[in-house]
Amino acid sequence: KAGVTQTPRYLIKTRGQQVTLSCSPISGHRSVSWYQQTPGQGLQFLFEYFSETQRNKGNFPGRFSGRQFSNSRSEMNVSTLELGDSALYLCASSLGLAGRTGELFFGEGSRLTVL
Amino acid sequence: GQQVMQIPQYQHVQEGEDFTTYCNSSTTLSNIQWYKQRPGGHPVFLIQLVKSGEVKKQKRLTFQFGEAKKNSSLHITATQTTDVGTYFCAGRIQGAQKLVFGQGTRLTINP
Repeated sequence: KAGVTQTPRYLIKTRGQQVTLSCSPISGHRSVSWYQQTPGQGLQFLFEYFSETQRNKGNFPGRFSGRQFSNSRSEMNVSTLELGDSALYLCASSLGLAGRTGELFFGEGSRLTVL
Repeated sequence: GQQVMQIPQYQHVQEGEDFTTYCNSSTTLSNIQWYKQRPGGHPVFLIQLVKSGEVKKQKRLTFQFGEAKKNSSLHITATQTTDVGTYFCAGRIQGAQKLVFGQGTRLTINP
């Protein structure tokens, strides 16, 4: 079966702009979680969506937002981009809530560079 | 906040040497998962431990979950160059609704 698909894979933005990233989970998976990965900072949890509802949220400013559609596809948006937002953004899908029903399946990630 | 601490942050070994990474939580975990991320890749699930004191093996990899369900370890026997990557633990805090990742241990190997 198809894996988790993230688009775009790479993008370059300038400070102050906004960006929207997309994640298509594995068919049948209802949970999508988003993580920010920067060198030396590990995987920082952004938020998790399950059945179109945000179930968990990490410690990120309100500039970071997300949503999930009825087909479980998810988007995350970052507004007013800052240099520090440069990172690899990973999404992961799972059948149920993350960590409760088994493994997370990660996408290849979207690498964002802010200039 | 609720954290899962992982040590060491980096480990460099000679090929054939053993490697261990440790995960510690200040609160009890419902379960713990381990992931491996190859350089330039994305995290891939290795295993999940649920029971107190559980030990699971996958070839040269041994995973343990502490009796108090607050710590876990991953041990690799006789490392090979294919073991290179960053190993993450991820614990679900009891009563909480999210999975918390450790900072990861980056393993490099001298062939």
